[in-house]
Amino acid sequence: AQSVTQPDIHITVSEGASLELRCNYSYGATPYLFWYVQSPGQGLQLLLKYFSGDTLVQGIKGFEAEFKRSQSSFNLRKPSVHWSDAAEYFCAVDPNYGGSQGNLIFGKGTKLSVKP
Amino acid sequence: KAGVTQTPRYLIKTRGQQVTLSCSPISGHRSVSWYQQTPGQGLQFLFEYFSETQRNKGNFPGRFSGRQFSNSRSEMNVSTLELGDSALYLCASSFNAGNEQFFGPGTRLTVL
Repeated sequence: AQSVTQPDIHITVSEGASLELRCNYSYGATPYLFWYVQSPGQGLQLLLKYFSGDTLVQGIKGFEAEFKRSQSSFNLRKPSVHWSDAAEYFCAVDPNYGGSQGNLIFGKGTKLSVKP
Repeated sequence: KAGVTQTPRYLIKTRGQQVTLSCSPISGHRSVSWYQQTPGQGLQFLFEYFSETQRNKGNFPGRFSGRQFSNSRSEMNVSTLELGDSALYLCASSFNAGNEQFFGPGTRLTVL
């Protein structure tokens, strides 16, 4: 079955430290890939997306993600975390390669806590 | 440009009642998708509308329905509410399916 896995339910990092959130997907080919962030009580905000081309994509708020076809992964990174980055992060897949009819498939999310 | 708006933001209902949630997409966006978010199941796709037509539907019972109006605004309806319907319901709009989706703040539904 098609699925998106975020292996880490909760991660705590110190402010200023680097961050990597993991995401793996299981599909036959390369789907469209997204990372969203959700602050408490809020909707989801798109951080970045990968459709094709350069496997390292830059997003907002200093985030980047790297697509690795061989590992079916799309990990999110940030070199220096700020306290305001504390939130829940969701990896999502459009399994229809742009022909989607609206149904993104989401991972279960990774909650990020930031220590001062 | 205004973002996706959802009304109401919070709703409390009792079992057996029905509820209607509203979503106004970003101006110019014609595709509206609905998702249910719960702690146990995470984010699950409900359905997608484009130009007043439902094009895709997730694996939810028929108690969940929706519609889209000519101005792209969308509503979803849940009839005969169950305790398990308590969730955050998120609406997302995009210019067309296949483009990135922009999410609203959600409607928090509590069923007592």
